[in-house]
Amino acid sequence: GENVEQHPSTLSVQEGDSAVIKCTYSDSASNYFPWYKQELGKRPQLIIDIRSNVGEKKDQRIAVTLNKTAKHFSLHITETQPEDSAVYFCAARLNTGNQFYFGTGTSLTVIP
Amino acid sequence: GAVVSQHPSWVICKSGTSVKIECRSLDFQATTMFWYRQFPKQSLMLMATSNEGSKATYEQGVEKDKFLINHASLTLSTLTVTSAHPEDSSFYICSARGLAGLRQFFGPGTRLTVL
Repeated sequence: GENVEQHPSTLSVQEGDSAVIKCTYSDSASNYFPWYKQELGKRPQLIIDIRSNVGEKKDQRIAVTLNKTAKHFSLHITETQPEDSAVYFCAARLNTGNQFYFGTGTSLTVIP
Repeated sequence: GAVVSQHPSWVICKSGTSVKIECRSLDFQATTMFWYRQFPKQSLMLMATSNEGSKATYEQGVEKDKFLINHASLTLSTLTVTSAHPEDSSFYICSARGLAGLRQFFGPGTRLTVL
């Protein structure tokens, strides 16, 4: 199967600063990489995703970059706000199946 | 669109009993549903993948006789935790994927507490 590593496990930033979370994956057959935001006790919510034929995707303050050669992808949040505080998970999907393999999560705290 | 519901949201049961959790896709047909388990402050661990009308595929280390999964229709999958024990206490989350597309949409989760 796939092995997804995520760093850092915790991240604190000042409001207005940027936050970057990085993930690496092991299987070059992975072709889809979503990012989820999960608030305490709630369901994971998809915030952005990228397919392997694209290097970068942006949606307002959120962007994701993908380096297929190095097998890593990153989430970038600019102009962070307190409501961005949550746990963020990356995931990777093999093109040979349906399953998502999740990273270990990053707890982001935005300090007002 | 793409709403997934789960029922119940919270259940407390005695050790040795069985608990059934339902996962429904409300506004789309889910050919594939996934069941995850999440411990506090940890990631989502995929337990099994179920396709409508066929047997579920379980991840390594997940006991299929312990966690029974049924996906009888395109909008409903159930997870039954049989003979539950305190170590089965966890947050169980389902997700669903439609006929087309890669995205998975998550249910709100079910918190199971086994006394």
